[in-house]
Amino acid sequence: EIVMTQSPATLSVSPGERATLSCRATQSVSSSLAWYQQKPGQAPRLLIYGASTRATGIPARFSGSGSGTEFTLTISSLQSEDFAVYFCQQYKNWPLTFGGGTKVEIK
Amino acid sequence: QVQLVESGGGVVQPGRSLRLSCAASGFTFSSYGMHWVRQAPGKGLEWVAVISYDVRNKYYADSVKGRFTISRDNSKNTLYLQMNSLRAEDTAVYYCAKDFSSGGGYYSDYWGQGTLVTVSS
Repeated sequence: EIVMTQSPATLSVSPGERATLSCRATQSVSSSLAWYQQKPGQAPRLLIYGASTRATGIPARFSGSGSGTEFTLTISSLQSEDFAVYFCQQYKNWPLTFGGGTKVEIK
Repeated sequence: QVQLVESGGGVVQPGRSLRLSCAASGFTFSSYGMHWVRQAPGKGLEWVAVISYDVRNKYYADSVKGRFTISRDNSKNTLYLQMNSLRAEDTAVYYCAKDFSSGGGYYSDYWGQGTLVTVSS
């Protein structure tokens, strides 16, 4: 099983600042990596797939990068609606696995 | 627009069974793989099971293998999860999610709002 590790667990950022979230895999997943956003009481929402492709309707301030075992989600200028928990997921191998999440909170 | 509506959650005693349903609309249900993903209270996401568009392929997480069964009825646009021998650690919100592909081995581009399953005596 591929284990996905996200860091940091919590990120405190001021509105308008940049946020950088990391996701690491225990073996290569190539570019088979997705990012999701989840707000309290809501279902996850797809942000990024293929490591760097934004899903439909996702603002350009969200960007993904990386391949192999190291990935990054960057939010260039945090808006109030971006404070949430972010999960990465690999879909290279079964079972599909998620990272533990990074909570982005207001500083 | 794509809609996924789960139902069937509730409180159940350990060792008992429960069946979840997910009604799909707004897309050609019979053309896509479908997942169940769960989230224990205050925890992260755990993938549970997937079924391909044509029912030929099913995969399960080790934690539920042999106890849970995923199925679908394409004539009713409905996904199911039969959960047997439930344990306290199965307590979670269960989400159904549409896969990007027909086979079901990719990411989920749409999610339902979830249904809560609580396993407790």
